[in-house]
Amino acid sequence: GAVVSQHPSWVICKSGTSVKIECRSLDFQATTMFWYRQFPKQSLMLMATSNEGSKATYEQGVEKDKFLINHASLTLSTLTVTSAHPEDSSFYICSARALLDMDNTEAFFGQGTRLTVV
Amino acid sequence: AQSVTQPDIHITVSEGASLELRCNYSYGATPYLFWYVQSPGQGLQLLLKYFSGDTLVQGIKGFEAEFKRSQSSFNLRKPSVHWSDAAEYFCAVGTSYGKLTFGQGTILTVHP
Repeated sequence: GAVVSQHPSWVICKSGTSVKIECRSLDFQATTMFWYRQFPKQSLMLMATSNEGSKATYEQGVEKDKFLINHASLTLSTLTVTSAHPEDSSFYICSARALLDMDNTEAFFGQGTRLTVV
Repeated sequence: AQSVTQPDIHITVSEGASLELRCNYSYGATPYLFWYVQSPGQGLQLLLKYFSGDTLVQGIKGFEAEFKRSQSSFNLRKPSVHWSDAAEYFCAVGTSYGKLTFGQGTILTVHP
């Protein structure tokens, strides 16, 4: 099946610094990638939709200037948490849309990144 | 707007017992429905999906789910639970291009 690799798996950073998380589709081209956030004991919430070569579309309530998304190639999207604060500590998961056939698409998930801001 | 409700936050079953996890959705068009499993600190693994066709869907690890349009439900079932099935399960409804809305999740505990 399609493989999505997310890096790093976990990161600890100091408050006020920025952190970049990478999401790569290893064996397929992903024109669309999605970024989700999962707080402890909660469900996954979509943050933004990233399309290769264009600006990301952010969900309501997500600060686009704080969560910078870049989708510069068909296999890589990055999420940068700028000026991180402890309340940004969460589990961030990406997914990449693969075109399985003309009528069938599916999103494959990365392993997730545990961000802890201290 | 689409939404998913998983009424059971936590379910406990004995190993070998049958399992049913409930999922109800709200979606204006033909839904694309998914069940994912997540172990602690891990990403999501797809158990099964429904796009169209046969309403009874078979997945991995012996799981199956039945799509019932009249009840807006997509319940997950397994006839005999194994201890390794303990995890959190998420039902999701999606668009054709992969944007998903997740339910709140159901934590499954399996007693020996």
